[in-house]
Amino acid sequence: AQSVTQPDIHITVSEGASLELRCNYSYGATPYLFWYVQSPGQGLQLLLKYFSGDTLVQGIKGFEAEFKRSQSSFNLRKPSVHWSDAAEYFCAVGVSRGFKTIFGAGTRLFVKA
Amino acid sequence: NAGVMQNPRHLVRRRGQEARLRCSPMKGHSHVYWYRQLPEEGLKFMVYLQKENIIDESGMPKERFSAEFPKEGPSILRIQQVVRGDSAAYFCASSPPTASSTDTQYFGPGTRLTVL
Repeated sequence: AQSVTQPDIHITVSEGASLELRCNYSYGATPYLFWYVQSPGQGLQLLLKYFSGDTLVQGIKGFEAEFKRSQSSFNLRKPSVHWSDAAEYFCAVGVSRGFKTIFGAGTRLFVKA
Repeated sequence: NAGVMQNPRHLVRRRGQEARLRCSPMKGHSHVYWYRQLPEEGLKFMVYLQKENIIDESGMPKERFSAEFPKEGPSILRIQQVVRGDSAAYFCASSPPTASSTDTQYFGPGTRLTVL
């Protein structure tokens, strides 16, 4: 069965420090992978997506993610975190031609001054 | 171009009442998806609809829940005889009519349902 695992429930980083959020997926075919961000009380905003091609994907707000098929991973990174990045981050995989999206449980990011 | 609209943003119901959640997709989009987010959890797929058709309802509870997307008007998620366990945030997403596996789903702000 398809699944997405985000091993870290919450992460705290200092402002200006680098960030890596982990995501592992389980899917038999070529996955369509997404990272979304959700601010408190808000809907989800797409940060970036991977469908094919270059395994390093650039997104909005300075985020990037790298697809590693051998590790079934799609980790999200940012070189320098800003206080406004504090939010919940969801990794997701599109299945059945992308019509159904399976979400991980999310990682809540806290940014300290 | 307005995004996905959902209303109401907050809905309070007593046990046994009905809840109706509305979703207006982005202009030009004809595919609608509903997800439920329980506290401290990720989003769970419920149902995928096109105009006047339910395409995939594999995530919908078998009882009390129904969804529609009529030819005119918004998509409606209806929960009959609500129970406390229905308290959650319900998100709608939409995608364009040429939907394929590469299409992004655009999410609305959600409706937060509280059952007293």
